[in-house]
Amino acid sequence: GESVGLHLPTLSVQEGDNSIINCAYSNSASDYFIWYKQESGKGPQFIIDIRSNMDKRQGQRVTVLLNKTVKHLSLQIAATQPGDSAVYFCAENVGSGTYKYIFGTGTRLKVLA
Amino acid sequence: DADVTQTPRNRITKTGKRIMLECSQTKGHDRMYWYRQDPGLGLQLIYYSFDVKDINKGEISDGYSVSRQAQAKFSLSLESAIPNQTALYFCATSDSAGGRADTQYFGPGTRLTVL
Repeated sequence: GESVGLHLPTLSVQEGDNSIINCAYSNSASDYFIWYKQESGKGPQFIIDIRSNMDKRQGQRVTVLLNKTVKHLSLQIAATQPGDSAVYFCAENVGSGTYKYIFGTGTRLKVLA
Repeated sequence: DADVTQTPRNRITKTGKRIMLECSQTKGHDRMYWYRQDPGLGLQLIYYSFDVKDINKGEISDGYSVSRQAQAKFSLSLESAIPNQTALYFCATSDSAGGRADTQYFGPGTRLTVL
């Protein structure tokens, strides 16, 4: 699972390597997913989204993979940079209303120089 | 983040005090939200508003109230603050997406401590 705050799961990655952050979502009816990046002292920042009719979507240095069979979402960051250090969490739109989200608690990514 | 601003950024108050947190947006979005973030938990929805005349309770509205003064402004009040309301508070906005899921954009947050 994921957690924001004092007891976050932490992923440590060497600068230049690829990072993979995982999220298990809860609702099989969820039809839209977002990955957010939250830097210390800042609000969550939208990174990339994916709808349930897709299994992969690519952005700039980031890729999101969706596996609906096992209700799993992952965020891949290519060539990880120091500026990528942050907490990353996923959000699932449960489909019962366009505003309602379940937010994961987050994984802390540490980039080692 | 500059499109969604929150004031104050930090606040320390005492039990029983009334506190107002303010949110303004220049994104032109019709929908606004207030969330709180606690260690070990995902963001929890306090209140949301789909337009100036539409206010709705979220998952954890007890002890909170809101006011949508204009399309661009949405304030959150703690009527009588208590220590377990110590948390990070985030305002978010979104554009109604014609029946599809909308993307929410967050402000920088307010760190509230209730002593």
